[in-house]
Amino acid sequence: AQTVTQSQPEMSVQEAETVTLSCTYDTSESDYYLFWYKQPPSRQMILVIRQEAYKQQNATENRFSVNFQKAAKSFSLKISDSQLGDAAMYFCAYRLNSGGSNYKLTFGKGTLLTVNP
Amino acid sequence: GAGVSQSPSNKVTEKGKDVELRCDPISGHTALYWYRQRLGQGLEFLIYFQGNSAPDKSGLPSDRFSAERTGESVSTLTIQRTQQEDSAVYLCASSLEGWAPAQYFGPGTRLTVL
Repeated sequence: AQTVTQSQPEMSVQEAETVTLSCTYDTSESDYYLFWYKQPPSRQMILVIRQEAYKQQNATENRFSVNFQKAAKSFSLKISDSQLGDAAMYFCAYRLNSGGSNYKLTFGKGTLLTVNP
Repeated sequence: GAGVSQSPSNKVTEKGKDVELRCDPISGHTALYWYRQRLGQGLEFLIYFQGNSAPDKSGLPSDRFSAERTGESVSTLTIQRTQQEDSAVYLCASSLEGWAPAQYFGPGTRLTVL
């Protein structure tokens, strides 16, 4: 079974600084997606960034980028120029891209990010 | 267009009562998912609907849990004889198709069982 581990329950960063959130996963599959979701106090899960495992290039979305290390099964999220609105719980998630049950998302336990003014 | 909506936003119930949670997916999305989020935990998959295919109920924790979906529209998650361990946030998501990589989530229903 696939598992996703986020080893940092909490992180903090100063406004305008850079922070990196860690995620590792365990799978025997080669074709999958990885995601970072943000959950603010409103509870709404917001997709931040997505990475296809077959792509070597790391995904970027404005101030958000990932460091995808497939061999090491590592998928970290870097937030640059942190803003107060970035404060939230961040979840790493995994999903198969093919085969049975390729619609199920498997989530880590989350990292609570605090942004200090 | 409108996102995924869920109702009620919060529900407090007494142990042993039945509850019904509702999810309205994004219009045109054929795939719908229910997840449970216990306090301090990530999301756990409960059930998946895709069009008129048989749903994947493999994540439902007990036979007290059931869900229905009419066509490609609204879904209801029913919990019978609620227990205190059922207290959690129940999140619904939808996607264009089951294979579509992005799932879009609603704001969830926070269920508290006293």
